[in-house]
Amino acid sequence: AQSVTQLDSQVPVFEEAPVELRCNYSSSVSVYLFWYVQYPNQGLQLLLKYLSGSTLVKGINGFEAEFNKSQTSFHLRKPSVHISDTAEYFCAVGGASKLTFGTGTRLQVTL
Amino acid sequence: SAVISQKPSRDICQRGTSLTIQCQVDSQVTMMFWYRQQPGQSLTLIATANQGSEATYESGFVIDKFPISRPNLTFSTLTVSNMSPEDSSIYLCSGGGNTGELFFGEGSRLTVL
Repeated sequence: AQSVTQLDSQVPVFEEAPVELRCNYSSSVSVYLFWYVQYPNQGLQLLLKYLSGSTLVKGINGFEAEFNKSQTSFHLRKPSVHISDTAEYFCAVGGASKLTFGTGTRLQVTL
Repeated sequence: SAVISQKPSRDICQRGTSLTIQCQVDSQVTMMFWYRQQPGQSLTLIATANQGSEATYESGFVIDKFPISRPNLTFSTLTVSNMSPEDSSIYLCSGGGNTGELFFGEGSRLTVL
C-alpha cells in the first residue's frame, strides 16, 4: 500500500521569498514520486518527478525537490516565488502509472 | 508530454439523470485512469480503464454507478449514472505510459442540482 502526507494545507508567502512545501510518503515497494500543480479551474500539470538516479530533481518554473529515502520525504522548494505560482500543489507516489495523491497544499503568494 | 482531451468541460445536470464524459489521448499513452476530485479535496482514483474489457474499480466505486468503456487504446468514456448532488465533482481522465508519470486532461466539472 502507498500513502502520501502533505503536512501543510495552506502556505502563505510573500513574493520573492523562498518556499518549501512538505511531502512525506510511505510505500512497500520502490517508489516513483511526483509533484503536480493545479491552477484555478484547470487540470493537473506535472512539475517534476523522481524515478531513480540523482536525489535532487529539477522541474519546471524554477521548482526543485529532493528525495530523502531515510526520512521518506520529497519536499518541494523554490528559492524565489512569483505571484503566478499561486496554485494548489499535489504530491503523489506511485508505480506502473497508478498514483496516490496527497491532500494538496494551497500556495498563496502575495505582494 | 501526452495530450489528453476531455469533453464536456463542464455541465449542469438534474438529479436522477446520467452523464457520459469522453476522453481522447494521444498514442504515447498505454494506460488510462479516471479520477474524481470533490470540491476542495484531492484526487481519488475511480478505476483503471482496460482496453476491450471491464474496468478495474477501486474500493468504494462500482460499475453500476460509474460504467467505463475503453473500446480502443486512445479513447475512453466514464458515465456517472443516476446522479445526485453528492456526485458534483471534477472528473479527470489521465493517461500514462512507461515513464511512470501521469498526464491529465483539463477535467469535466459536473454540478448536479
